Amino acid sequence: ETGVTQTPRHLVMGMTNKKSLKCEQHLGHNAMYWYKQSAKKPLELMFVYSLEERVENNSVPSRFSPECPNSSHLFLHLHTLQPEDSALYLCASSAETRNNSPLHFGNGTRLTVT
Amino acid sequence: AQSVTQLDSQVPVFEEAPVELRCNYSSSVSVYLFWYVQYPNQGLQLLLKYLSGSTLVKGINGFEAEFNKSQTSFHLRKPSVHISDTAEYFCAVSGTYGQNFVFGPGTRLSVLP
Repeated sequence: ETGVTQTPRHLVMGMTNKKSLKCEQHLGHNAMYWYKQSAKKPLELMFVYSLEERVENNSVPSRFSPECPNSSHLFLHLHTLQPEDSALYLCASSAETRNNSPLHFGNGTRLTVT
Repeated sequence: AQSVTQLDSQVPVFEEAPVELRCNYSSSVSVYLFWYVQYPNQGLQLLLKYLSGSTLVKGINGFEAEFNKSQTSFHLRKPSVHISDTAEYFCAVSGTYGQNFVFGPGTRLSVLP
């Protein structure tokens, strides 16, 4: 079983749909992250949660709504997305938000907005 | 603010040849440095990290990297590559005072038979 599990692996949705991405970590970590990976662009940090509290929100549009019900689970709720939101969404966790603590990534959800 | 430059977007190399992937960073504070690898259809996996101490760090799969503070570089090397090393490689930095990770744009390593 991998340390960080993301579901679904692939998602196709229309601009009027509502869907959610799920992330679960089995590493006993206290911090969880959402990243967006688009073609030809560096990884973009979207949200950071530490001990279930959101500690960073990098000017992400409100059509993306994160939720962290406990330290093992992280969701990204999606609604009224745009085609430019198509990307690979990566979840990561770390032992803590101190920056000598490496990130452990899931395999991502490939999102296509039509 | 921190930034990471990976000058080579693509590096083709023949199997069993040595390879160096370049990473330069810019930061006004002390940093931690990381290399990650991403295989097709997967997330990023930590290859190695520099936190402090010896400037030469060894990672998984035979990779190593050397931290050069004067040149603000953290180049990744492997003396002999395999076909299975074909992947995207990302350099990342984080500040020692709480600044978040900043990733470079990635270098696509293609190992040719």
